[in-house]
Amino acid sequence: DADVTQTPRNRITKTGKRIMLECSQTKGHDRMYWYRQDPGLGLRLIYYSFDVKDINKGEISDGYSVSRQAQAKFSLSLESAIPNQTALYFCATSDPGGADTQYFGPGTRLTVL
Amino acid sequence: RKEVEQDPGPFNVPEGATVAFNCTYSNSASQSFFWYRQDCRKEPKLLMSVYSSGNEDGRFTAQLNRASQYISLLIRDSKLSDSATYLCVVNMGSGAGSYQLTFGKGTKLSVIP
Repeated sequence: DADVTQTPRNRITKTGKRIMLECSQTKGHDRMYWYRQDPGLGLRLIYYSFDVKDINKGEISDGYSVSRQAQAKFSLSLESAIPNQTALYFCATSDPGGADTQYFGPGTRLTVL
Repeated sequence: RKEVEQDPGPFNVPEGATVAFNCTYSNSASQSFFWYRQDCRKEPKLLMSVYSSGNEDGRFTAQLNRASQYISLLIRDSKLSDSATYLCVVNMGSGAGSYQLTFGKGTKLSVIP
């Protein structure tokens, strides 16, 4: 079984809709992250959380919000989706004792029409 | 301002060839360095960390040059299965609890039979 899972894996939605992407992990890591990947731009950090009570903005947090419901769950919301949020979204976890090696989920491909 | 910059790809090499990728980073106070591998439409996975003294893992050798602010990845005896995109990753955070993991855009490698 995968250590980091993401749901849904693919989603097509319309402009203005609210979307939630969910991430769960069984690695027991405190740190969790959300990234987006666009062709030619590489991975960019949206939000990260070092523990359940800690939420931090990343490089591109505008238009997104997150919720850390438990150590194992970290969800990303798009309150009102827009077409330029079409991208591949990755959740990741890390253990600071392991040099913050990132363990990624399989990704969610989101298309906003 | 490009904080982590990689060789532009794609690199097309025959099986058995040796290929090298370079990556430069802008923050001289960067703490840790990594190479990740990403297969098409898949999540990135850690290939190897990069240590100051240089390190080797089988056919892969990573080196760090702090004075010139670059890291390199050398792949010897290329295999078809090495075909992927290689991401240079630098943690530019400083101090305890800080986090600034920055990903390069990646270099695509295609190993040709």
